[in-house]
Amino acid sequence: AQTVTQSQPEMSVQEAETVTLSCTYDTSESDYYLFWYKQPPSRQMILVIRQEAYKQQNATENRFSVNFQKAAKSFSLKISDSQLGDAAMYFCAYTGGGSNYKLTFGKGTLLTVNP
Amino acid sequence: NAGVMQNPRHLVRRRGQEARLRCSPMKGHSHVYWYRQLPEEGLKFMVYLQKENIIDESGMPKERFSAEFPKEGPSILRIQQVVRGDSAAYFCASSPRTSGRNEQYFGPGTRLTVT
Repeated sequence: AQTVTQSQPEMSVQEAETVTLSCTYDTSESDYYLFWYKQPPSRQMILVIRQEAYKQQNATENRFSVNFQKAAKSFSLKISDSQLGDAAMYFCAYTGGGSNYKLTFGKGTLLTVNP
Repeated sequence: NAGVMQNPRHLVRRRGQEARLRCSPMKGHSHVYWYRQLPEEGLKFMVYLQKENIIDESGMPKERFSAEFPKEGPSILRIQQVVRGDSAAYFCASSPRTSGRNEQYFGPGTRLTVT
């Protein structure tokens, strides 16, 4: 079974600084997708960024980028120029590439942004 | 394009009552997923449905829980004879026909409290 591990229950960063959130996963599949979701206090789950396992290039969305290390099964999220609105729970998630559609989530990392 | 809609946002039930949670997927989306989030936990997959079909219910408790996605109308997650342990946030997500992107878009969730 696939598992997703987020080893940092909490992280903090100063506004305008950079922070990296860690995620590792375990799978025997070769084709899969990885995601980072953000859950602010409103509890709405917001897709931040996605990565296809077959792509070697790391995904980037504005201030958000990932470091995808397929051999190490590592998928970290880097947030640059942190803003107060980035404060939230961040969840790493995995889904298989075929008909295996369900998302497996890590337990989350609570990010605090200090002014 | 309206997002995934869930209602009610908050639901309070006494032990032994029934809870009905509704989810309207995004326009054009024919796949619906239900997840449960217990306090201090990540989301856990419950069930995956397409119109009039349950595709995977491996995450559903064996008793008291059921789900449907009729040809017309929203998807319904039904919990009979609720117990305190059912108190959680229940999220619905939808995705379009399988396109290889495997992205799921989440609704705002229903917070169920059992008293």
